[in-house]
Amino acid sequence: DAGVTQSPTHLIKTRGQHVTLRCSPISGHKSVSWYQQVLGQGPQFIFQYYEKEERGRGNFPDRFSARQFPNYSSELNVNALLLGDSALYLCASSFSPRDNPYEQYFGPGTRLTVT
Amino acid sequence: LAKTTQPISMDSYEGQEVNITCSHNNIATNDYITWYQQFPSQGPRFIIQGYKTKVTNEVASLFIPADRKSSTLSLPRVSLSDTAVYYCLVGDMDSGGYQKVTFGTGTKLQVIP
Repeated sequence: DAGVTQSPTHLIKTRGQHVTLRCSPISGHKSVSWYQQVLGQGPQFIFQYYEKEERGRGNFPDRFSARQFPNYSSELNVNALLLGDSALYLCASSFSPRDNPYEQYFGPGTRLTVT
Repeated sequence: LAKTTQPISMDSYEGQEVNITCSHNNIATNDYITWYQQFPSQGPRFIIQGYKTKVTNEVASLFIPADRKSSTLSLPRVSLSDTAVYYCLVGDMDSGGYQKVTFGTGTKLQVIP
């Protein structure tokens, strides 16, 4: 079975631009979470979606938004990019966030560089 | 908000057993303790999870004392490929009843030949 997939792998954007990152969960998984990982730090929770509804939100500005589609794939959108948004963006999937929220399966991430 | 404290880094020789301890003094009654492993430029990988006493799988063991204020991840006979960052996580329930997964800074394990 395929694991969590993310696209694109790498991305370079300019300050002020908008970016959309995509994630496909493991087949059968209904929950998708997004994380931002800055070099040298642990992943920081951004959003969690379950059954197409937002179930959790971390301490990120409104420039960050996300959605989950009927097939459980997800998009993370970031508007008005800042240099500080440069990071590895990770997507993780799980079957149900309530049953076992900590056993998540992570994708390889999208490396975003803002210049 | 349950917070974890881990050593920033550890070194170990190949073939040795490595124990990484995590402190979580404010752990809630229903919180589980989970450990992840992360290699550079990859997403974290779930290693093991436990609630109390001892849990063992094919990769590691997790020891949790009765007061649950700390836990120890034990990696038997490490190899160079175990060089990675190891994260300890505990519960963080939000107002909607869904638990946010909060990573700390992790422990960078360097295995030396």
